[in-house]
Amino acid sequence: KAGVTQTPRYLIKTRGQQVTLSCSPISGHRSVSWYQQTPGQGLQFLFEYFSETQRNKGNFPGRFSGRQFSNSRSEMNVSTLELGDSALYLCASSITSGGYNEQFFGPGTRLTVL
Amino acid sequence: QQPVQSPQAVILREGEDAVINCSSSKALYSVHWYRQKHGEAPVFLMILLKGGEQKGHDKISASFNEKKQQSSLYLTASQLSYSGTYFCGTDRTGNQFYFGTGTSLTVIP
Repeated sequence: KAGVTQTPRYLIKTRGQQVTLSCSPISGHRSVSWYQQTPGQGLQFLFEYFSETQRNKGNFPGRFSGRQFSNSRSEMNVSTLELGDSALYLCASSITSGGYNEQFFGPGTRLTVL
Repeated sequence: QQPVQSPQAVILREGEDAVINCSSSKALYSVHWYRQKHGEAPVFLMILLKGGEQKGHDKISASFNEKKQQSSLYLTASQLSYSGTYFCGTDRTGNQFYFGTGTSLTVIP
């Protein structure tokens, strides 16, 4: 079974630009969660999508948005990039939403904002 | 609201045991444990649910004290491959998922 894939793996952007990250979950998984990882803040929850609906959202500004498609693939968008958005963005898939199932993480997208 | 883990870092020799603690200020629905090696994505280790049900790794055990809102991960007879950063994660029904502050574990020969 193929794992979670994320594209692109690396991105360099400048302040003010916007970026779209993509995540393909494991086949059969309907829940996709996004996390931001930085050395100072650790792993911070961004949002979770299940069956094309946003189920939960973390404490991030509205510049961070996402969506999920009917095939469970998910995209995350960050508009008006700031230097502080530089981070590793991880997506994780699980069979269903909620706390019963383990999350399988993708390799991440390393975003650098200059 | 982020769970607090202790210790922040620990160094072990192969074969030694370690305990990593995770404490939350909020009531817990479940506790997840993950390990992340440098430059890699977190990997699932274990889930502990209210009521005592567990799902996870054969060689790693954990406990979940619902009343104290705490969980502990027990690593016995550590191997070099156990090195990494361990995260607990807590899920409260209907709310976002919080990862803990992380514990760096280094196993040396």
